[in-house]
Amino acid sequence: NAGVTQTPKFQVLKTGQSMTLQCAQDMNHEYMSWYRQDPGMGLRLIHYSVGAGITDQGEVPNGYNVSRSTTEDFPLRLLSAAPSQTSVYFCASSYSRQNIQYFGAGTRLSVL
Amino acid sequence: KNQVEQSPQSLIILEGKNCTLQCNYTVSPFSNLRWYKQDTGRGPVSLTIMTFSENTKSNGRYTATLDADTKQSSLHITASQLSDSASYICVGGGATNKLIFGTGTLLAVQP
Repeated sequence: NAGVTQTPKFQVLKTGQSMTLQCAQDMNHEYMSWYRQDPGMGLRLIHYSVGAGITDQGEVPNGYNVSRSTTEDFPLRLLSAAPSQTSVYFCASSYSRQNIQYFGAGTRLSVL
Repeated sequence: KNQVEQSPQSLIILEGKNCTLQCNYTVSPFSNLRWYKQDTGRGPVSLTIMTFSENTKSNGRYTATLDADTKQSSLHITASQLSDSASYICVGGGATNKLIFGTGTLLAVQP
């Protein structure tokens, strides 16, 4: 049972480049979310999805896009990377918002 | 403003000793209180979830308490092990289960 899988683990981008962070879960969870974790701050919600075809914005959505075409996958797209997007990104899934969230191992992104 | 504050920021204890981590939350309306353990370089792992009606919940050597009147929670670790070295994150669940994350307490267990 793989749980929540994130790829890549590390990524370096130049300002203005775009990329997609991948997230997949094999637990048939409806609720999936993306967070960023910055030093000295708690995790902040970027976008979330309550099921296939349904997404919504979180606390810090600017500069990011998401889609949810299947239950398993929830990719996060950076449209035009900026140094302020240097962070560690975590994907999480759960049966519903009220249940235990399972986190992936994270993607460490540096934007130069 | 919804917020979660944790103390201490960091803590060093000797292996085998007990410790207690504190969490004060201002989350309204309040739904639940969660504790996560995050090892260095890994994602957070859930330890406990308590609703507003629960006072205590245990997960092995970890015991969380919740006082909804004072808006305080604590995480007690018994007989610490080297593998307990990690960041412990308190999370308040609010309206529609919006989650407010604390900044964590960094625990180091030394031999």
